[in-house]
Amino acid sequence: ETGVTQSPTHLIKTRGQQVTLRCSSQSGHNTVSWYQQALGQGPQFIFQYYREEENGRGNFPPRFSGLQFPNYSSELNVNALELDDSALYLCASSFYGGSTDTQYFGPGTRLTVL
Amino acid sequence: GESVGLHLPTLSVQEGDNSIINCAYSNSASDYFIWYKQESGKGPQFIIDIRSNMDKRQGQRVTVLLNKTVKHLSLQIAATQPGDSAVYFCAEGAGTALIFGKGTTLSVSS
Repeated sequence: ETGVTQSPTHLIKTRGQQVTLRCSSQSGHNTVSWYQQALGQGPQFIFQYYREEENGRGNFPPRFSGLQFPNYSSELNVNALELDDSALYLCASSFYGGSTDTQYFGPGTRLTVL
Repeated sequence: GESVGLHLPTLSVQEGDNSIINCAYSNSASDYFIWYKQESGKGPQFIIDIRSNMDKRQGQRVTVLLNKTVKHLSLQIAATQPGDSAVYFCAEGAGTALIFGKGTTLSVSS
C-alpha cells in the first residue's frame, strides 16, 4: 500500500454540477499528478502540480482545474460535469527531481455523472 | 512459460508458469518506463521501472526488458501465482506525464 489517500471513495453527481476531489500525497513527496481512467482503459494524464503550480497538462479542457497546498496535498475540480466525465480519478504522488520519477497511486475516486 | 506477441488484451497461464507481457511504446524521446499492476477496484500498484540507459532490470520474481530499437518493453513474471491475477499496464515517461498503454489482463489458474 502506498501512503497516497483520496477522498471521497465514490461520488454521484448530475450533469452540469461541479465536483471537488481530494488527494494527500505520500510522506516525502512534493508532486501530485491526476489521471482519469475510463472503464476498461489505461489512465490518462490530466495535469501535475509541483510547488503549488501546474507543471504540465494533458489534453483536458479548462473546466478541469486543480490546486496544490503547502503541505503538498491537492484538489481536482471539475466544472459543468458531462456524462463522459464518469470515470475513476486517480491521484499519484512523486518526488520531482528534474526528470520523470516514479509515481505512486492512490486508490482513486469513482465518479458517476447521471 | 507462455510468451505473447505485441500486446494481447488477455493472457491465461497455469500457476507456476512463467508469464511474459509485452508492450509497444510510441515516443522515441521517452526515457523512463514503468510497469503497474491494477487489481479490481484499486489504484495501479508499482511493480518495476527502467530508464532508457538500461536494457534489463530485475526485481523479485519480475524482470523488465527494454528494446529501444523497436520501441518494445516486456515484463516477465517468474513462477506466476494466483495473486498475480490483475490488469498490467506499461507506461512511458517523457517529462511530467506518464503515458499508459493498453492493459493486459493476466489470469492465473491453479
